Amino acid sequence: AQKVTQAQTEISVVEKEDVTLDCVYETRDTTYYLFWYKQPPSGELVFLIRRNSFDEQNEISGRYSWNFQKSTSSFNFTITASQVVDSAVYFCALSEAMNRDDKIIFGKGTRLHILP
Amino acid sequence: GAGVSQSPSNKVTEKGKDVELRCDPISGHTALYWYRQSLGQGLEFLIYFQGNSAPDKSGLPSDRFSAERTGGSVSTLTIQRTQQEDSAVYLCASSLGLGFPDTQYFGPGTRLTVL
Repeated sequence: AQKVTQAQTEISVVEKEDVTLDCVYETRDTTYYLFWYKQPPSGELVFLIRRNSFDEQNEISGRYSWNFQKSTSSFNFTITASQVVDSAVYFCALSEAMNRDDKIIFGKGTRLHILP
Repeated sequence: GAGVSQSPSNKVTEKGKDVELRCDPISGHTALYWYRQSLGQGLEFLIYFQGNSAPDKSGLPSDRFSAERTGGSVSTLTIQRTQQEDSAVYLCASSLGLGFPDTQYFGPGTRLTVL
């Protein structure tokens, strides 16, 4: 069965600090995709990244970076030098590629507050 | 338009009535997705269209929910005999359709309130 756990319900950090959002997943498939989405206070979801299970290279995009570790079934997201605009709810998600069901399973989300 | 649009933005209905939610994807996007976000259930994936076809409808919460897409463009999500637990924000997204799921662009959502 698929499952995504975001153990951190809410995090507050002061601006310019680095912050890591944890995501742990469960899947029986060897081929799967992992995602992060951002939902700012405006409510509109923003797709941040898609990573397939065969690519364990860490990815960096500006101040954002993602650490994918198959050994611990984790796909953590780090924001470096956080800014107030990073305040949002962040969702991690999983989709099993080999499963004939086209589904995306979401974690409960982590609410991030960046304090000025 | 440039982005995904959804209508109506807000819908208040009485329990037992049918509602229809509409999604206009980005032009040229062949894939379309429906999601639901509620306080109790979090973010849920409902259904995915590649063109006019939805390979898997098992994500729909009950048989009162149906979705269709015609002409590979506009999609409607219909909820029959609405219940209070259907109250949620219904989100639509579209993507180029380069594999399930590729980079999605989301609409602003329809907030449904069932009284």
